[in-house]
Amino acid sequence: KAGVTQTPRYLIKTRGQQVTLSCSPISGHRSVSWYQQTPGQGLQFLFEYFSETQRNKGNFPGRFSGRQFSNSRSEMNVSTLELGDSALYLCASSSKVETQYFGPGTRLLVL
Amino acid sequence: AQKITQTQPGMFVQEKEAVTLDCTYDTSDPSYGLFWYKQPSSGEMIFLIYQGSYDQQNATEGRYSLNFQKARKSANLVISASQLGDSAMYFCAMSLRNSGNTPLVFGKGTRLSVIA
Repeated sequence: KAGVTQTPRYLIKTRGQQVTLSCSPISGHRSVSWYQQTPGQGLQFLFEYFSETQRNKGNFPGRFSGRQFSNSRSEMNVSTLELGDSALYLCASSSKVETQYFGPGTRLLVL
Repeated sequence: AQKITQTQPGMFVQEKEAVTLDCTYDTSDPSYGLFWYKQPSSGEMIFLIYQGSYDQQNATEGRYSLNFQKARKSANLVISASQLGDSAMYFCAMSLRNSGNTPLVFGKGTRLSVIA
C-alpha cells in the first residue's frame, strides 16, 4: 500500500504571496489532518478533514485554510504569507483512531 | 486540556544497548490514545507504536515497547538493542478517543543519538 504523499516537498515564497500544499492519503483513509512544525512552537495542529468536511480546527488565523476532495486528497492554502509561516507542514491520514500515518512533509521557506 | 511532557531534550545510548525515552501526559478524559513517532533529519514522522488507555497489555512492536503506567500518567518508550539508524527525534503524542479522530497533541521531543 502506498504511503501518504505530499507535494511539493520544498517551496520558497516571498512575503505576501500565497501557497497551496497538497496531500494524498493512504488509499481507503478518509481523514486527513494538517500540522505545522517550527523550532519555536513545535508541532501544532492546523485542521482535520473527514469526508470533505472540516471536523476539527486548530488555533491558527484565517489565512490558513484547507479543503478535501471526494477522493480524500486534501489541500491547504496559506494566503498573505508571513516570515513566521516558514515551517515544515505535515499531513497525516487515518482510517481509525489507532492509525495516524504522516507524509514526508513540505518545507516552506518564506523570504 | 491535554498536555504531553517529554523532559529529556537529548539522550545518548551505546549501540546494542536499550534506552528509555520518558513521556508523561495529562488529561481528564478516560478514553485516549498514546503514540510514539520517530522523526529523522529528513522530516518524515514515522509511526512507531500505539497504546489505548483501556488496553490491558503494554504495546510492543518489534524492538519498540511502550511502558504504560496509567496511575502515573506515563507512557515511556523503550527501544531495545539500539542501532545507529535509531538516531533521530522522538515524539510522544496523545489524542482523545471519545469523538472519532481528534487532533494529536505532541510533546517537544527527545533527540536520541546512538553511539558506535
